[in-house]
Amino acid sequence: AQKVTQAQTEISVVEKEDVTLDCVYETRDTTYYLFWYKQPPSGELVFLIRRNSFDEQNEISGRYSWNFQKSTSSFNFTITASQVVDSAVYFCALTGSSNTGKLIFGQGTTLQVKP
Amino acid sequence: EADIYQTPRYLVIGTGKKITLECSQTMGHDKMYWYQQDPGMELHLIHYSYGVNSTEKGDLSSESTVSRIRTEHFPLTLESARPSHTSQYLCASSEWGGPIQSLHFGNGTRLTVT
Repeated sequence: AQKVTQAQTEISVVEKEDVTLDCVYETRDTTYYLFWYKQPPSGELVFLIRRNSFDEQNEISGRYSWNFQKSTSSFNFTITASQVVDSAVYFCALTGSSNTGKLIFGQGTTLQVKP
Repeated sequence: EADIYQTPRYLVIGTGKKITLECSQTMGHDKMYWYQQDPGMELHLIHYSYGVNSTEKGDLSSESTVSRIRTEHFPLTLESARPSHTSQYLCASSEWGGPIQSLHFGNGTRLTVT
C-alpha cells in the first residue's frame, strides 16, 4: 500500500525565517513520482514540483528547495526567507506505476507566516 | 496555465436535494479526477475517468456518481444530499501517456448540506 505522512499539522513562523516541511512516504513501487502542491486560502491546489524516483538531485527554484532522499523515504520542502504570501496549506503527494496517475496525498501542513 | 473550471464555487442546500457539481476542462485531457477534501484538510480520491465512457470509483467510498460523456466534462451528482456530504470537492485533470503529469486542479466547490 502507498502512504504519505506529513507529521507537521501546523507551523507558524515569522516573516524572513526559513521553514522546512517534512514528507515521508511508503511505496513498494520501484518507479514512483512525488509532488508538492500549495493550497492558498482561495482553495485551488497549485502544482509546485514533481520528482521521479530515479532522480535524487535536490532542486532549487527561487526561495523554494526540495530535498529527496530515497534512503529515508523523505521528500522535504524548504522555504527560505518566508513571506506572508507563503501562508497556505502544503500537500505532499505520491503516485506509482501501480496506480497509474492517481495521487495519494498526505494530511497537509498548514503554514502561517506572520509579518 | 491550466484551464479547469468548477461550478458552483459555493453551494448551500437542504437535506434530500439532488445536486450536480460541474467540472470542465479545455485542455483536452483524457484523465479526470474528483477528490473530496474533509474539514481536516486531507484529500481523498472518490472518482476518476481515463476517457469518454470510462468511470471508476476511487479509494474513498462515496455515494456520489459521475459521468463522462464528453472529454471536457466530468460532472458529479448526489441524488439525495445529506449533512455528511458537507465537504469541499476538487476536480482535476491530466494528460494521458508519457511521464506521469502533474494534476491540474480546479478551484473547488465547497458544499454545505443543512
